[in-house]
Amino acid sequence: KQEVTQIPAALSVPEGENLVLNCSFTDSAIYNLQWFRQDPGKGLTSLLLIQSSQREQTSGRLNASLDKSSGRSTLYIAASQPGDSATYLCAVSSGGGADGLTFGKGTHLIIQP
Amino acid sequence: DVKVTQSSRYLVKRTGEKVFLECVQDMDHENMFWYRQDPGLGLRLIYFSYDVKMKEKGDIPEGYSVSREKKERFSLILESASTNQTSMYLCASSLYYQETQYFGPGTRLLVL
Repeated sequence: KQEVTQIPAALSVPEGENLVLNCSFTDSAIYNLQWFRQDPGKGLTSLLLIQSSQREQTSGRLNASLDKSSGRSTLYIAASQPGDSATYLCAVSSGGGADGLTFGKGTHLIIQP
Repeated sequence: DVKVTQSSRYLVKRTGEKVFLECVQDMDHENMFWYRQDPGLGLRLIYFSYDVKMKEKGDIPEGYSVSREKKERFSLILESASTNQTSMYLCASSLYYQETQYFGPGTRLLVL
């Protein structure tokens, strides 16, 4: 059964720093990996989706990489801002068909002004 | 923009009541999903549907059922609510297999 782990569970950094969030998964036979952000009490917002054949995806200040063979992904946030404060969730799609995602427990990120 | 809406943001029910959670998406997506989110456990898949009237069990289907009579609407049903079903319920949809999932704002359910 697929398991997804995110390290660290919480992170607090000063504004302006570049930072990396980590995600690992136990079964490398994935179809894709998604990064989401969740603000307190809200739903999830999709940030980036990386297909299993891709190595990375970029959107603005965000860059996500995927190393399927080692079961790892990283989310790089450049020039962090207080508005980036949220919980970041990593999720993988492992099965065929329209099956759901397996989520990590998230990294709670605080950007200090 | 994709919009996924859920019928209630907050809901309080009594043990034993039948509870309906409704989800509607406006982008003609094929697939719809129900998850629950609990502190320390993260998000877990309850059920998903890949077509009208079609459904598949996720990781934790016990105590739940679903209904998809129209493509845009996916309902989660708690046949007899119990206190351990107190949780945040999130609905999502995606256009095709293995595509980006878009989430609704969630329904926070309290069962007393």
